[in-house]
Amino acid sequence: GQQLNQSPQSMFIQEGEDVSMNCTSSSIFNTWLWYKQDPGEGPVLLIALYKAGELTSNGRLTAQFGITRKDSFLNISASIPSDVGIYFCAGLNSNTGNQFYFGTGTSLTVIP
Amino acid sequence: GAVVSQHPSRVICKSGTSVKIECRSLDFQATTMFWYRQFPKKSLMLMATSNEGSKATYEQGVEKDKFLINHASLTLSTLTVTSAHPEDSSFYICSASPISGGLYNEQFFGPGTRLTVL
Repeated sequence: GQQLNQSPQSMFIQEGEDVSMNCTSSSIFNTWLWYKQDPGEGPVLLIALYKAGELTSNGRLTAQFGITRKDSFLNISASIPSDVGIYFCAGLNSNTGNQFYFGTGTSLTVIP
Repeated sequence: GAVVSQHPSRVICKSGTSVKIECRSLDFQATTMFWYRQFPKKSLMLMATSNEGSKATYEQGVEKDKFLINHASLTLSTLTVTSAHPEDSSFYICSASPISGGLYNEQFFGPGTRLTVL
């Protein structure tokens, strides 16, 4: 199935730095979701976006639904060690089906 | 709210045996559940879409006779790996989408099941 392009693939940053990652698709979505996955566990939903241009925050996390509806961005401010994990984006066009398409993941390492 | 459980969390079995994995939505009803497989440091690979009251829809390349899916109720879906082989060893994760008015789409994941086939 379709897999979304997510970048960067991995990041190594100092504690306190800000983080940005993005996800792009060749097709239009009407829902974008961002997840975080810790090793050996299932992904946990961080932020859900439903409208082009929408900007939503969850604590230090902020995500945006791109105006083209083909991309989304996730920013983490003032990173802390517990931010370590793999972040996935997921997109859905509910007008064409019920399947979410996932990004390739961004592995984040925060150096104390 | 929106909790999905999986059982068992880990299973080790001998080659040739069958293993059943349960996925339950604990505090919501889900017409549709999804089963994924994940290899180390890789993204989620959709195996099949499980629909309550009807047959599952399998992705291309996934053997439906090997990975049996039963969506018995609006809160339970099971994945049975039949005649398991070492190459079936993987991390299997289910997810569920709450029944809603259609405006909001979210997908919640279970904690995953680590299958090891000896």
